[in-house]
Amino acid sequence: QLQLQESGPGLVKPSETLSLTCTVSGGSVSSSGYYWGWVRQPPGKGLEWIGSIYYTGGSTYYNPSLKSRVSIALDTSKNQLSLKLSSVTAADTAVFYCGRLVVVIDTSYFDSWGQGTLVAVSS
Amino acid sequence: SSELTQDPAVSVALGQTVRITCQGDSLRSYYASWYQQKPGQAPVLVIYGKRNRPSGIPDRFSGSGSGNTASLTITGAQAEDEADYYCNSRDTSGYPVVFGGGTKLTVV
Repeated sequence: QLQLQESGPGLVKPSETLSLTCTVSGGSVSSSGYYWGWVRQPPGKGLEWIGSIYYTGGSTYYNPSLKSRVSIALDTSKNQLSLKLSSVTAADTAVFYCGRLVVVIDTSYFDSWGQGTLVAVSS
Repeated sequence: SSELTQDPAVSVALGQTVRITCQGDSLRSYYASWYQQKPGQAPVLVIYGKRNRPSGIPDRFSGSGSGNTASLTITGAQAEDEADYYCNSRDTSGYPVVFGGGTKLTVV
């Protein structure tokens, strides 16, 4: 049973960098063919895809609206993926989810999700 | 990047059938996948690809699509189906994911 667990500070100051880690158990971030990704959900709002990374770590895809501020990486030695979002503002306050993403020729879907972690941006 | 549009809210009488739709240009090229999200919980995949259901998802959930519209149908809605539903697909601009804005389903 694949399990994902997000971790990181629950409070970040404006203009600073938000850093989160997702620890994967019951499976490997190096599993062939999979992507891993981050999704956020501001309070009371919908899901927003942040970005995804291929299992090799060699390809990353970022939401164009966030691309200049986002970095996603894999740490295969720790079986983790990470998210860094720079220059945060209050608008970045959200629940952040990590997930395993399947991308095939005719569709894509997150088949496993972490429980989510709330990050507030405030001074 | 593409956009996916969903009705903000839909209601259904207990035991009746409801269709939740998702519209967007990317759906002419890719199938939609669907997630159920209850308050305070992570999303759960309920339909993926052409019309596949993950293990453990009741068969009252089904997916379909035509043209630029994908649909999630719940046949015989139950009280526990009350939740927010989100669609996603691949993006024709090359991005692997785009989400719809979500539909709040109320079972009355």
